[in-house]
Amino acid sequence: GAVVSQHPSWVICKSGTSVKIECRSLDFQATTMFWYRQFPKQSLMLMATSNEGSKATYEQGVEKDKFLINHASLTLSTLTVTSAHPEDSSFYICSAKEREASDTQYFGPGTRLTVL
Amino acid sequence: KQEVTQIPAALSVPEGENLVLNCSFTDSAIYNLQWFRQDPGKGLTSLLLIQSSQREQTSGRLNASLDKSSGRSTLYIAASQPGDSATYLCAVRGGSYIPTFGRGTSLIVHP
Repeated sequence: GAVVSQHPSWVICKSGTSVKIECRSLDFQATTMFWYRQFPKQSLMLMATSNEGSKATYEQGVEKDKFLINHASLTLSTLTVTSAHPEDSSFYICSAKEREASDTQYFGPGTRLTVL
Repeated sequence: KQEVTQIPAALSVPEGENLVLNCSFTDSAIYNLQWFRQDPGKGLTSLLLIQSSQREQTSGRLNASLDKSSGRSTLYIAASQPGDSATYLCAVRGGSYIPTFGRGTSLIVHP
């Protein structure tokens, strides 16, 4: 099946720094990628939808200037958490959809972000 | 707005038991429903996908059913094993490609 990778798998940073998380589709071209965050014992909450070559669509309550998303190619989307604070500590998961008609999203393994 | 509830939130059972995990959703106008497994600190692994026109799907010891009219799905795990220990998430997709997830059921199967 299709594989989605994320890098890094975990990161610890100081408050105020920026962190970039990569999401790659390894064996297919992803026209659309999704970014989720998950707090402990909570469900996945969609943050934004990323379409290749266009601006991301953010969900209500998600600050687009804080969570910068770039989907520059059909196999790579990046999420940059700018000026990270401890409350941004969470598990970030991306998923990718191969084409418009596809039912299936393929999920990455997630990135654990800890902001000190 | 679709809301997805999973019951129970946590479950601990001895090895060999048959289990039923429940998922309910508020808007029955769904496109499909999917069950995932999530191991601690890991991403999601898709287990079963049920289209809105289907009643159930089976894969090995897993069976998922869907009753759209009542807004319910169940995941049945037969002859549970310690390796089944994980969090099981239910996700419901409506007209958009974006699924709504439940909070999951945390399952522990002890030897």
